[in-house]
Amino acid sequence: AQSVAQPEDQVNVAEGNPLTVKCTYSVSGNPYLFWYVQYPNRGLQFLLKYITGDNLVKGSYGFEAEFNKSQTSFHLKKPSALVSDSALYFCAVRPPGSARQLTFGSGTQLTVLP
Amino acid sequence: DAGVIQSPRHEVTEMGQEVTLRCKPISGHNSLFWYRQTMMRGLELLIYFNNNVPIDDSGMPEDRFSAKMPNASFSTLKIQPSEPRDSAVYFCASTKPGTSGSNTQYFGPGTRLTVL
Repeated sequence: AQSVAQPEDQVNVAEGNPLTVKCTYSVSGNPYLFWYVQYPNRGLQFLLKYITGDNLVKGSYGFEAEFNKSQTSFHLKKPSALVSDSALYFCAVRPPGSARQLTFGSGTQLTVLP
Repeated sequence: DAGVIQSPRHEVTEMGQEVTLRCKPISGHNSLFWYRQTMMRGLELLIYFNNNVPIDDSGMPEDRFSAKMPNASFSTLKIQPSEPRDSAVYFCASTKPGTSGSNTQYFGPGTRLTVL
């Protein structure tokens, strides 16, 4: 069975500092990995995904994520955080070839302090 | 594109009443998903459809929950009778056709349901 873990419920970072939101996964084969962001009272918005190829994936709003197969991780990163990045972030995984069912992590609340 | 459309955005009802949530997927998308989000359980997949056919409803919590997709542009999630523990935000999402599973799911704004 597939699973995804976000070990930190809350991440605080100062504006202008780099940020990292952690995600590890457990799935057979090479997974498809996704990051979504949820702002208050809004639906989930797609940020980026890893399907194949370059392990470093660039997405919306300056975010990027690195797929690390040996560590089964897909951490979300941004070089310089903005206060407006404060939101709830979800990592999700889907095994290749599966019918389109995503498994979501529990979410990490990111707070960027001015 | 208007994105995934859900209605109503907010619903307040009394225990025992029937609740119907509605979703219009993005035009051209052929898979549709219903999720429930709560503080305690996070984001849970309730059911998903492919080409209007329910594929996996194992996440539907009880027989009080039912979902239909009569055509490619409309789906409903019904709760009858509703209970206070059904209070949550319900999201609908859709994806383009494809068999690899790599397609992105696009989410609607959600319906916040409160059952008193």
